[in-house]
Amino acid sequence: AQSVTQLDSQAPVFEEAPVELRCNYSSSVSVYLFWYVQYPNQGLQLLLKYLSGSTLVESINGFEAEFNKSQTSFHLRKPSVHISDTAEYFCAVSETSGSARQLTFGSGTQLTVLP
Amino acid sequence: DGGITQSPKYLFRKEGQNVTLSCEQNLNHDAMYWYRQDPGQGLRLIYYSQIVNDFQKGDIAEGYSVSREKKESFPLTVTSAQKNPTAFYLCASNPGAYNEQFFGPGTRLTVL
Repeated sequence: AQSVTQLDSQAPVFEEAPVELRCNYSSSVSVYLFWYVQYPNQGLQLLLKYLSGSTLVESINGFEAEFNKSQTSFHLRKPSVHISDTAEYFCAVSETSGSARQLTFGSGTQLTVLP
Repeated sequence: DGGITQSPKYLFRKEGQNVTLSCEQNLNHDAMYWYRQDPGQGLRLIYYSQIVNDFQKGDIAEGYSVSREKKESFPLTVTSAQKNPTAFYLCASNPGAYNEQFFGPGTRLTVL
C-alpha cells in the first residue's frame, strides 16, 4: 500500500516570492506522481505529472516538480507566485503496476498568496 | 466539449433521506471513481468501477451505494446509514493510461 504526506497544511506567501510545497510518498513498488490544484468549490485539475524519464517536470503556468527517488519526494516549486495561484494543492501517487488504477492523495496544502 | 458533469452543484436534504448524486462523462473512459472531500482530510475513495456492471468498495464505502449500468454514468446514492453525509463529493474518470484521473466540478451535499 502507498501513502502520501504533505508536510504543510498552510503556505502563506507574499506575491512574487518563491514557494515550495512539500510532498513525500511511501511505496514498495514503482510509482507515478501527480500534483493537482483545486480552486474553491471546484473539482481538481491536473497541474503536472511524473511518469518516467526526466525527473524534473514543468507545468504551463510556471510550476515545476522534481522526482527524487532516494528521498521519496516530489516537491512542487514556483520561483514567483501570483495572487491567482491561491488554491489548494494535492499531491497524489499511484503504482505503475496493478489493475486497480487508484490514486492515493495527500491531505493538501492551502497556498495563499498575499499582496 | 468532452468532460465530466456532476449535478446538482449544491444539494440539501433532510436527515434520514436517501439522495442520489449524478456523474456523467463523455470521454469514453472505462474507469470511474467517487471521492469524498472533507476539510483538512484530502480525498477519500468511496467506490470505483473499472468496467460496466462491475464496481468495488473503496476506503469509506459504508453508507453509500453505486451502480454502473452504462459506461457514461456512475451515480452515487448516499443512504440514511451514512452517519455524517455532509461533504463535498467528487467524481473522476480514468482513460486507462498512467492512472491519471480527470475530475468533475463536484457536488456539495448538506444534510440538515
